Amino acid sequence: EAGVAQSPRYKIIEKRQSVAFWCNPISGHATLYWYQQILGQGPKLLIQFQNNGVVDDSQLPKDRFSAERLKGVDSTLKIQPAKLEDSAVYLCASSLGSAGPKNIQYFGAGTRLSVL
Amino acid sequence: AQKITQTQPGMFVQEKEAVTLDCTYDTSDQSYGLFWYKQPSSGEMIFLIYQGSYDEQNATEGRYSLNFQKARKSANLVISASQLGDSAMYFCAMRGNQAGTALIFGKGTTLSVSS
Repeated sequence: EAGVAQSPRYKIIEKRQSVAFWCNPISGHATLYWYQQILGQGPKLLIQFQNNGVVDDSQLPKDRFSAERLKGVDSTLKIQPAKLEDSAVYLCASSLGSAGPKNIQYFGAGTRLSVL
Repeated sequence: AQKITQTQPGMFVQEKEAVTLDCTYDTSDQSYGLFWYKQPSSGEMIFLIYQGSYDEQNATEGRYSLNFQKARKSANLVISASQLGDSAMYFCAMRGNQAGTALIFGKGTTLSVSS
């Protein structure tokens, strides 16, 4: 079974530029998550989708971050314009559903973003 | 609010030794799940083990076991017979019962295994 795919693996941009990340979840997984992991910290949720609807985007800085999940499969996360503090690893995860405590999330390899 | 605390920034162990990584949590939920993930230097988060709050037995998965003490709100990961490939960052995480609740992660513990 293929895992969660993310691209690109690495991205270097200058501040005020825009950047987009792509995620393809595990086949059949209805729920998709984007996390931000700053160096030395645990991941923090940015946005959660259930199929193609947003379940939780309370931690998403909406003035510069946007995300979509068209057709309930692939997702893209965009930052425009980027700030220095956006330098982090952006992890995508997926799970079969969203209800219940045993809802194992499987992660992709992440995109490491450096903003100069 | 839910919170995960991992107090050990780094742990050092020799091959074949057992190691315990500490995790304490705080939640007002009655039903919740606890997870451990491994993050090698390559960056991906690898799911290791799950423990439900109502599970009576401690979870085990191969060389990984979870020492769950509900009254003390602790969920320590025990790795038996450490291997060089176990060197990585380890994160404890929890999730409540409600749909839409995300994983809350601790800050992680770096495990270094030497030969």
